[in-house]
Amino acid sequence: AQTVTQSQPEMSVQEAETVTLSCTYDTSESNYYLFWYKQPPSRQMILVIRQEAYKQQNATENRFSVNFQKAAKSFSLKISDSQLGDTAMYFCAFRNRNSGNTPLVFGKGTRLSVIA
Amino acid sequence: GEEVAQTPKHLVRGEGQKAKLYCAPIKGHSYVFWYQQVLKNEFKFLISFQNENVFDETGMPKERFSAKCLPNSPCSLEIQATKLEDSAVYFCASSGRQFLDTEAFFGQGTRLTVV
Repeated sequence: AQTVTQSQPEMSVQEAETVTLSCTYDTSESNYYLFWYKQPPSRQMILVIRQEAYKQQNATENRFSVNFQKAAKSFSLKISDSQLGDTAMYFCAFRNRNSGNTPLVFGKGTRLSVIA
Repeated sequence: GEEVAQTPKHLVRGEGQKAKLYCAPIKGHSYVFWYQQVLKNEFKFLISFQNENVFDETGMPKERFSAKCLPNSPCSLEIQATKLEDSAVYFCASSGRQFLDTEAFFGQGTRLTVV
């Protein structure tokens, strides 16, 4: 079974600074997807960024980028130029690509606070 | 529609009462997933459907939980004889116009409080 570990329950960052959220996972599969979701106080789950395991290039979406280390099974999220609106819970998630449309496996989340 | 619609947003039930939650997936999506997010923020997968058929129910507490996705109706998740520990936010997500479509679109969740 796959597991996802987020070792930082809480983090804070000054506005305009850069912060990195950690995520590691465990799987015996070779073909899978990794995601970062943002959950603000509204509870809405918002997809931030997605990485396909077969792609070596790290995904980037505006101020959000990942550092994907497949051999180390590590998938960290970097937020540049942090904004107050980035304050939220962030969940790392894994999805097996080979088993049809399988469910997401989530980490326990990291609560990020952006401080003015 | 183009968003996953969950109703109601909030539901309060006394212990032992029944709770029924609804989810309308995005039109054309083949897969529906139910997740339970408990107060510690942890997500637990409950069940998934491929159209009207149960696809994976490995996370379902079989005794009191049941779910359906019938044609031309919202999907539903029903909890018989609710317990305090069922208090959580229940999320529905849909995906899969394509077989290996990667992104799951989430509804806004239903917060169930059992008192």
